[in-house]
Amino acid sequence: AQKVTQAQTEISVVEKEDVTLDCVYETRDTTYYLFWYKQPPSGELVFLIRRNSFDEQNEISGRYSWNFQKSTSSFNFTITASQVVDSAVYFCALSDVTQGGSEKLVFGKGTKLTVNP
Amino acid sequence: NAGVTQTPKFQVLKTGQSMTLQCAQDMNHEYMSWYRQDPGMGLRLIHYSVGAGITDQGEVPNGYNVSRSTTEDFPLRLLSAAPSQTSVYFCASSAGPGTGELFFGEGSRLTVL
Repeated sequence: AQKVTQAQTEISVVEKEDVTLDCVYETRDTTYYLFWYKQPPSGELVFLIRRNSFDEQNEISGRYSWNFQKSTSSFNFTITASQVVDSAVYFCALSDVTQGGSEKLVFGKGTKLTVNP
Repeated sequence: NAGVTQTPKFQVLKTGQSMTLQCAQDMNHEYMSWYRQDPGMGLRLIHYSVGAGITDQGEVPNGYNVSRSTTEDFPLRLLSAAPSQTSVYFCASSAGPGTGELFFGEGSRLTVL
């Protein structure tokens, strides 16, 4: 069975600190996708990144970066120089791409990040 | 750009009542799904559809029905609401596996008394 573990339930930092959100996944599939979503206090889900299992290149987008390591089944997310607007719940998710065209996400329980001024 | 539209945004029901959460997307996506979000649980898949006329169960399907008569619409029906169905419900769509992100609606908050 597929599983996503976000061991950090809540993290609190002071503005401008760097913070890393951990994500560990379990799957027997060789082809899969990993995602990060942000859920700000307003409640909507904001897509941040998708990574497929064949691409282990790290990705950087502005202050955000992602470290994908298949050897440890991890897909960690780092925010550099955090800002108050980064305060949100962050979800890591794994996609089960099965035959027939289905695409189902398995979500972690989320990490609530609070950035204090 | 409407994207994925869910209605209603808020609903209060009494135990045993029925209702339908509506979901519509205007992106011509084949794949649509319903998730529920409970505190400390993340999002869990209820039902999904890979195209008109095709639906299947997700992780937590009990107490919910779905149908997909058109590409655009994917309603979620609660036939006899229970307090355990108090949750925030999200509808999502995508063009299919490997095509990118799931597009989520804004969510519907349901309270069952």
